[in-house]
Amino acid sequence: DIQMTQSPSSLSASVGDRVTITCRASQGMSNYLAWFQQKPGKVPKLLIYAASTLQSGVPSRFSGSGSGTDFTLTISSLQPEDVATYYCQKYDGVPLTFGGGTTVEIK
Amino acid sequence: QVQLVQSGAEVKKPGASVKVSCKASGYTFTSYGITWVRQAPGQGLEWLGWISANNGNTHYAQKFQGRATMTTDTSTTTAYMELRSLGSDDTAVYYCARKPTSGPLDYWGQGTLVTVSS
Repeated sequence: DIQMTQSPSSLSASVGDRVTITCRASQGMSNYLAWFQQKPGKVPKLLIYAASTLQSGVPSRFSGSGSGTDFTLTISSLQPEDVATYYCQKYDGVPLTFGGGTTVEIK
Repeated sequence: QVQLVQSGAEVKKPGASVKVSCKASGYTFTSYGITWVRQAPGQGLEWLGWISANNGNTHYAQKFQGRATMTTDTSTTTAYMELRSLGSDDTAVYYCARKPTSGPLDYWGQGTLVTVSS
């Protein structure tokens, strides 16, 4: 089974900073990679799918890229409402493995 | 609009079973699968398994093989997840989520807290 490893596990950045989160697959995979945002006490929300396609209604400061084993979620200008934990997930066949999560805080 | 509405919180004793329901509306139920995900307190997301609402085919995470059973009732557009032989480490919020064929988990239920305590 493919394992998904996220880094860093947490980060602290200032409002307006560019933030990058990495998700690495243990072996090459398709671009069936999604990113979710989960705010404290809330349900996970789909941000990006197919590695780089923005879900409808998601602010354009979020973007995704990558292929093969390395995928990236970027927040171009961090906002206070972006405080959350972010998860990657592969969905190109079972198991639908999640990364361990990256918690983003405001410095 | 697409909605997944889950059953309410449960408190179970160790060794018991729990059955969580997920009522779907706003889309053609049999055109999608349902995935179950859980989140223990302060922990990340864990995939339990998937069921096709079209034909009932299932895939379970290896960890839950033999202990979890996922079913659907197309007449009521409801999915169910039963977990047996509960232990304290099964205490978690359990989510259902819609799974399009070849697509990501796009709609989620509100979550059901299952607490296992003696």
